[in-house]
Amino acid sequence: DQQVKQNSPSLSVQEGRISILNCDYTNSMFDYFLWYKKYPAEGPTFLISISSIKDKNEDGRFTVFLNKSAKHLSLHIVPSQPGDSAVYFCAASALRNNAGNMLTFGGGTRLMVKP
Amino acid sequence: DSGVTQTPKHLITATGQRVTLRCSPRSGDLSVYWYQQSLDQGLQFLIQYYNGEERAKGNILERFSAQQFPDLHSELNLSSLELGDSALYFCASSTRLAGARNEQFFGPGTRLTVL
Repeated sequence: DQQVKQNSPSLSVQEGRISILNCDYTNSMFDYFLWYKKYPAEGPTFLISISSIKDKNEDGRFTVFLNKSAKHLSLHIVPSQPGDSAVYFCAASALRNNAGNMLTFGGGTRLMVKP
Repeated sequence: DSGVTQTPKHLITATGQRVTLRCSPRSGDLSVYWYQQSLDQGLQFLIQYYNGEERAKGNILERFSAQQFPDLHSELNLSSLELGDSALYFCASSTRLAGARNEQFFGPGTRLTVL
């Protein structure tokens, strides 16, 4: 049972345009969400996070939106750059459990930004 | 460079064998996490240690065990290896046990191949 899903395995975008990566979750206990970027032969790198008390968090070119009623979040990258080409993972955590910060990951979306 | 180191980078072994993967967290981080990334299961949480104690457990097989030493480095022991254990094993570390803004920083991973 996949509790975090990224339904698009890949996305291709032109340089300078907006990239929108989507993520859905099913577990109502999740209250903290993160996006990680992964290049080949490297570990995931933290990008941006959002708590369930917010619906938007922005950091430079990256913005994460959270729609709790739809159990959906999205990552917007604008403008997209060729260096953004990587696999993006959505992850979720249930902080209220206070047992640790174990992350549940989605399957990833491969973003390709074309020059 | 996340500051998290993992050794070895690659490991090739035979079914039935036992291996040990090593992780050194970022300086000052007390939490260490282990994740497995396989082709069919994606990134899955295995176990978390905080300051030497086990604090959270995911879908970790009984054949697998881990520990965190007084110098905070961690080892993941995999025994009676099966073909299906072939995967990338990531270690991550964070500052605290749990909570928001306790982002996990991932090492480059150990690629285990069981023949």
